[in-house]
Amino acid sequence: DIQMTQSPSSVSASVGDRVTITCRASQGISSWLAWYQQKPGKAPKLLIYAASSLQSGVPSRFSGSGSGTDFTLTISSLQPEDFATYYCQQANSFPPYTFGQGTKLEIK
Amino acid sequence: EVQLVESGGGLVKPGGSLRLSCAASGFTFSSYSMNWVRQAPGKGLEWVSSISSSSSYIYYADSVKGRFTISRDNAKNSLYLQMNSLRAEDTAVYYCARVFSSGWLDYWGQGTLVTVSS
Repeated sequence: DIQMTQSPSSVSASVGDRVTITCRASQGISSWLAWYQQKPGKAPKLLIYAASSLQSGVPSRFSGSGSGTDFTLTISSLQPEDFATYYCQQANSFPPYTFGQGTKLEIK
Repeated sequence: EVQLVESGGGLVKPGGSLRLSCAASGFTFSSYSMNWVRQAPGKGLEWVSSISSSSSYIYYADSVKGRFTISRDNAKNSLYLQMNSLRAEDTAVYYCARVFSSGWLDYWGQGTLVTVSS
């Protein structure tokens, strides 16, 4: 199975900051990567798919990049509603779909 | 509006069984593959099972293979997960999720909590 490793596990930032979260796959997955946002007590929400495609309705301050084994999620200017946990997910080698362990974005 | 609503969770003893349901609305259910994904308390997301639109292809995580059975009824716009031989480590919130394109989970239900404890 492909393992997905996110870094950092947690990050503190302020409103207006630019934040980058990294996801690394244990083997090449081309662009078969998605990013999800999850708030406490809520279901995950798809933000980015195919590494860099913005899901409909997601603000343009979210962007994704990368291919192969290394990927990034960038939030260009943090808003109060962005404080959440973020997960990456690979869909190159299925089954199984595998997720990263999550990155908790906290208010500084 | 796409809606997925899970039900059937609850408290069950180790070795027991439970059947989860997911009622879909707002889209052509029979055209989409569906998945179950779970999240243990305070932990990350774990894919559990997947079923194709016509039930031709079914897959399970190794952790549940032989114990869980996924199924669907396209006439009732419903997805199911039959869980047998439950273990403490199956305790989690179980989400149903729709597959968009080739592996992206674009809509999720609100989740149903399964607690396995004596």
